[in-house]
Amino acid sequence: AQSVAQPEDQVNVAEGNPLTVKCTYSVSGNPYLFWYVQYPNRGLQFLLKYITGDNLVKGSYGFEAEFNKSQTSFHLKKPSALVSDSALYFCAVRQSPMLTFGGGTRLMVKP
Amino acid sequence: DVKVTQSSRYLVKRTGEKVFLECVQDMDHENMFWYRQDPGLGLRLIYFSYDVKMKEKGDIPEGYSVSREKKERFSLILESASTNQTSMYLCASSSHASGGYTFGSGTRLTVV
Repeated sequence: AQSVAQPEDQVNVAEGNPLTVKCTYSVSGNPYLFWYVQYPNRGLQFLLKYITGDNLVKGSYGFEAEFNKSQTSFHLKKPSALVSDSALYFCAVRQSPMLTFGGGTRLMVKP
Repeated sequence: DVKVTQSSRYLVKRTGEKVFLECVQDMDHENMFWYRQDPGLGLRLIYFSYDVKMKEKGDIPEGYSVSREKKERFSLILESASTNQTSMYLCASSSHASGGYTFGSGTRLTVV
C-alpha cells in the first residue's frame, strides 16, 4: 500500500525566512505526488504536483517542492515566508483513483 | 471557475436524524469522494465513486451510505446521526486523466 508521512505536526518560522515542510512517501512504481493547503474552515486547495520530469516543481503562491527519489521525499519549500502562509499543509500520493494524504503539518509564520 | 459545491457550510442535527450532505461538481469529473476530517486524525476516506451508480467503501464507511444518480452529484447520507459523527466533511472530485482533486469548501456538521 502507498503512504505518505509528514513527520512534523507544526513548523514555526519567522516572516521573511525560508520555510520547509517535510514529506516522505512509500510507493510501488513511479509516484504521483501532491501538496494541498487548507485555510481555517475551508476545503483543501491544490498547490502543486509532481508527475514526472524536473525534480523541482513550482506551484501556486510562490511555493515549490523538491522531489528526491533516493530519499523518497517531496518537501515543500518557499524562499521567503509570509504571515498569510500560515495554514495546514497536506502532502498526498496518488493510488488511483484515490489520493492518500499525510496527517498534515500546521505552518505558523510569525511577524 | 471550476467548482465543487457543498450545499451547507454549517449544519446542526439531532441524534437519530437522517442527514443528507450534497456535493455537486461542474467539471464533468468521473471520480467523486467523501472524506471526514478530525483533529489529529487527518483526512479519512468514507466512500468514493468512479462512475454514475458506482460506489466503493473507503476506510470508514460504517454509519454512512452514498448515492450517485447523476455524474455531477454525490450525496453522503448519515442514516441515523450520532454524536461521534460530528466532524468536518469534505467532498472532492477528480478526472481519470489528471488524478488531482478539487475540493469543496467543506460542511461542518454538529450532531447534538
